[in-house]
Amino acid sequence: AQSVTQLDSQVPVFEEAPVELRCNYSSSVSVYLFWYVQYPNQGLQLLLKYLSGSTLVESINGFEAEFNKSQTSFHLRKPSVHISDTAEYFCAVSTGFQKLVFGTGTRLLVSP
Amino acid sequence: KAGVTQTPRYLIKTRGQQVTLSCSPISGHRSVSWYQQTPGQGLQFLFEYFSETQRNKGNFPGRFSGRQFSNSRSEMNVSTLELGDSALYLCASSLSHSLLDEQFFGPGTRLTVL
Repeated sequence: AQSVTQLDSQVPVFEEAPVELRCNYSSSVSVYLFWYVQYPNQGLQLLLKYLSGSTLVESINGFEAEFNKSQTSFHLRKPSVHISDTAEYFCAVSTGFQKLVFGTGTRLLVSP
Repeated sequence: KAGVTQTPRYLIKTRGQQVTLSCSPISGHRSVSWYQQTPGQGLQFLFEYFSETQRNKGNFPGRFSGRQFSNSRSEMNVSTLELGDSALYLCASSLSHSLLDEQFFGPGTRLTVL
């Protein structure tokens, strides 16, 4: 069975500072990895995903994540955060088809 | 293009009752998945339907069931409600059940069991 660990339940950061949200997974087979974002009172939105190919994937709003198979990690990074990035971020894994196993989420709090 | 619609948005029930939640996927999407979100357990996969057939199922008791209609709309039912069923229930739709197709999530139905 697969599992996802997001060690940080909350990450406070100042605006324009860099941030890293950590995600580690456990699986005995090949996996596909995702980051979703949930803004207050809204559903989940896909931020980025790794299915195959380049291990570095980017989103349109400046986030990036790198798939590291040896460390079983898929950490999310942004070099400079904005107030509007305040949200909860979920890492997820799948071994195939539309069945996602989610981590417990990391709340990113950006303050001025 | 309209997004995923879930009805109702809020629901209050008492223990022992049953409840039905509805999900209308994005037009053209044939796969619908359901997730339960609680503060304690996080997001947990319930089941996925594609072309009216359940393709995957999570580790939930038989009180949780679902179905999909020919127009791809889906319903999930919870019978004999327990306090622990209080949660945000999220529905997601995609073109197919391939991971190459992005899942789009609805705003959720917040169920409170008293």
